[in-house]
Amino acid sequence: QVNLQESGPGIVKPSQPLSVTCSVTGYSITTSYYYWNWIRKFSGNKLEWMGYISYDSSIYYNPSLKSRISITRDTSKNQFFLQLNTVTTEDTAVYYCARQLTGRDYFDYWGQGVMVTVSS
Amino acid sequence: DIQMTQSPASLSASLEEIVTITCQASQDIGNWLAWYQQKPGKSPQLLIYGATSLADGVPSRFSGSRSGTQYSLKISRLQVEDPGIYYCLQGYSAPFTFGSGTKLEIK
Repeated sequence: QVNLQESGPGIVKPSQPLSVTCSVTGYSITTSYYYWNWIRKFSGNKLEWMGYISYDSSIYYNPSLKSRISITRDTSKNQFFLQLNTVTTEDTAVYYCARQLTGRDYFDYWGQGVMVTVSS
Repeated sequence: DIQMTQSPASLSASLEEIVTITCQASQDIGNWLAWYQQKPGKSPQLLIYGATSLADGVPSRFSGSRSGTQYSLKISRLQVEDPGIYYCLQGYSAPFTFGSGTKLEIK
């Protein structure tokens, strides 16, 4: 059974980096041809796709975030990570990790999400 | 980026009523369109993929259709468990984009 679980700091101060971890169980993040994504949901219900890291470690970032975002992974722990730099209150959101298979138009497994609030 | 214009923003309907939600893509995305339902405190659940294919375990009262660059999600007979927020997602090209969401309530 595939399971994704996000963990994060809860509160981050403005201008500081935001870091969230996605721990994956039941499936290896190096299995061909899966992509591991970060998606966030703002309080007004808007969903934003942030980027992915693939099974072979290729990366794609949403251009709207490109200067601030970094996605990395630790294959030994079967985890992948989101770092968002220089955050503002507008980065307050629920952060989700999700899996996508190459050639599919959807994310099939999602984590339950972690709320991150940017506040001084 | 491909823009997905979703309507209506909110919808109140009676039990057993037919409900339709639409998304308009800003360019051709073929059948690369999925629909999700999200309930409070939960992650989005896949309903439809490939514009018209029903995801595993999803009741048959949900269906998807396509006309050009307009996509529709239909709930044929609204049930008590169907309220939530519904989103479309274009998976044609990155950056992947979602519709703005439709909040569905029971009247």
